[in-house]
Amino acid sequence: QSALTQPASVSGSPGQSITISCTGTSSDVGGYNYVSWYQQHPGKAPKLMIYDVSNRPSGVSNRFSGSKSGNTASLTISGLQAEDEADYYCSSYTSSSSWVFGGGTKLTVL
Amino acid sequence: QVQLQESGPGLVKPSETLSLTCAVSGYSISSGYYWGWIRQPPGKGLEWIGSIYHSGSTYYNPSLKSRVTISVDTSKNQFSLKLSSVTAADTAVYYCASSKYPSGAFDIWGQGTMVTVSS
Repeated sequence: QSALTQPASVSGSPGQSITISCTGTSSDVGGYNYVSWYQQHPGKAPKLMIYDVSNRPSGVSNRFSGSKSGNTASLTISGLQAEDEADYYCSSYTSSSSWVFGGGTKLTVL
Repeated sequence: QVQLQESGPGLVKPSETLSLTCAVSGYSISSGYYWGWIRQPPGKGLEWIGSIYHSGSTYYNPSLKSRVTISVDTSKNQFSLKLSSVTAADTAVYYCASSKYPSGAFDIWGQGTMVTVSS
């Protein structure tokens, strides 16, 4: 299975909004509402930020939101803060009864 | 509050089998949830290895399926990963994780354990 496609890097200034895309196929992202997003700070385990396309787990800031259109899912972070600087990964369930991650996006807060 | 802790050898020889265990606390593994393994080579992205449902149903990454076995030991409240015929490409931080969601999104993660494949 091929990894989902994410931009290698995105950046934004504090207070701004940024969007990270995650492109797959009709066999994964486009076929199921089972897209999740993870935040990973250096040397730390990933943290679930969004599940099932647009749901936030308890305790995750409402500055984080998710959406999907066709074969592309998106993570939007509004009111960017320095602590948001991290790597972000998307993941999707697939038609092979498996899960696949994206290659990851490094978010830099300028 | 579910907590996970990985354990196992930090160094494995090429062609041998990598074996890791994830101890679960704060929840009975037989009660539900998906339990999974994810790895991350140094400086690279996440790769899903496989998952097991509490009922015993297993799901594996197609690219690793021939070498992977994930099992649950309800008596010890833990689950395990075995990866056979390892090479240097299997060197990575290995995470165990759990999901309370039917979609399998991992909401709880262990701290990760570094495994190096080298002679």
